[in-house]
Amino acid sequence: QQQVKQSPQSLIVQKGGISIINCAYENTAFDYFPWYQQFPGKGPALLIAIRPDVSEKKEGRFTISFNKSAKQFSLHIMDSQPGDSATYFCAASPRPYNQGGKLIFGQGTELSVKP
Amino acid sequence: GAGVSQSPRYKVAKRGQDVALRCDPISGHVSLFWYQQALGQGPEFLTYFQNEAQLDKSGLPSDRFFAERPEGSVSTLKIQRTQQEDSAVYLCASSLVTQGEQFFGPGTRLTVL
Repeated sequence: QQQVKQSPQSLIVQKGGISIINCAYENTAFDYFPWYQQFPGKGPALLIAIRPDVSEKKEGRFTISFNKSAKQFSLHIMDSQPGDSATYFCAASPRPYNQGGKLIFGQGTELSVKP
Repeated sequence: GAGVSQSPRYKVAKRGQDVALRCDPISGHVSLFWYQQALGQGPEFLTYFQNEAQLDKSGLPSDRFFAERPEGSVSTLKIQRTQQEDSAVYLCASSLVTQGEQFFGPGTRLTVL
């Protein structure tokens, strides 16, 4: 079953604009929510991550907004640049127990930033 | 320092062949994960090691898939009697501690003809 739902599937933004990608989850056992960026032919790379005890985290041009009651979180990319063109994945990880922090990924959003 | 490396980067197999995919994690990383990424999809968890112990193999799709990490460093994912549906990119990730940041390798693209 799909535990993390991501939208939109693709996104086109003008240079300097704001890119917004949304994710929703159902499992309340999730307690770590990272966003990954993936370029063609490369493995995913961690961009920014949040835990549910905060509602927002900002690192440079990237911001995660987290709504625990709605079980939703989103990535905002401010001042989007052509170099940001990539596929973005949200993910969630359950509390450890024996699961070691395995990641459950969304389906991905292909972002294209036009110059 | 060196990141996670995987070999081979590309593998073409005929249906029914066995394949072995290698992952060299970052030195000292305790946790190692394997994921399968189908074209246009997000990675899907296959299995997890803490040192040499395989603590979670719930994502392995069938008993044709087998993973090992005998000395707690290098790991091998083996797929027996490959099928066309096994075609995907196989990603390896390692993290220094449990639930730490996962660093991904570039993946091995497996194509089964």
